[in-house]
Amino acid sequence: GNSVTQMEGPVTLSEEAFLTINCTYTATGYPSLFWYVQYPGEGLQLLLKATKADDKGSNKGFEATYRKETTSFHLEKGSVQVSDSAVYFCALSDIQGGSEKLVFGKGTKLTVNP
Amino acid sequence: DAEITQSPRHKITETGRQVTLACHQTWNHNNMFWYRQDLGHGLRLIHYSYGVQDTNKGEVSDGYSVSRSNTEDLPLTLESAASSQTSVYFCASSESGRLTFGTDTQYFGPGTRLTVL
Repeated sequence: GNSVTQMEGPVTLSEEAFLTINCTYTATGYPSLFWYVQYPGEGLQLLLKATKADDKGSNKGFEATYRKETTSFHLEKGSVQVSDSAVYFCALSDIQGGSEKLVFGKGTKLTVNP
Repeated sequence: DAEITQSPRHKITETGRQVTLACHQTWNHNNMFWYRQDLGHGLRLIHYSYGVQDTNKGEVSDGYSVSRSNTEDLPLTLESAASSQTSVYFCASSESGRLTFGTDTQYFGPGTRLTVL
């Protein structure tokens, strides 16, 4: 079945450091790919998405490129801030029989220190 | 503004009791989902619905049930609460329109923290 694997956390960085969170997937076909973010005490919210190969999703300084050849969708940010501290989830759309749901990775906790 | 709400936000109950968690969305979305979040497991799908009177089992549905009598609500019932069901529960909804199928964004509620003693 379709699955998502993302790097184990937690990740701790200093403010203004470069961030990469790795995400790879296994899927039949060409699913849409997503990054969701969960701030402390809140529900998840969409950070960015890409719907086809070579698409780049971007939002709030974060970027991820849909790489079909490496089945990857790594999340990057050039300069993290304390306010980026959160849990990040990679996900893919799982379409079967005309219905759609998301398959999530286990999440990566990011802490950014001042 | 459209939103998705969950109630209660915190609940403590005893083993064996029936518990119902509420989820209400004003997006007028067709799809609604229930997840549980546990350390080391990420988000796991419990049940989901693609419309009124439609319900489907997810990967961890044992001990849970849902019903969809209208578009706005998908209550989650724990038939006989067990300590293993102590978790944070999230409800989500998505449009699944013809133009967005396969690319849908899910909108999440704030979560319910359930403790079963």
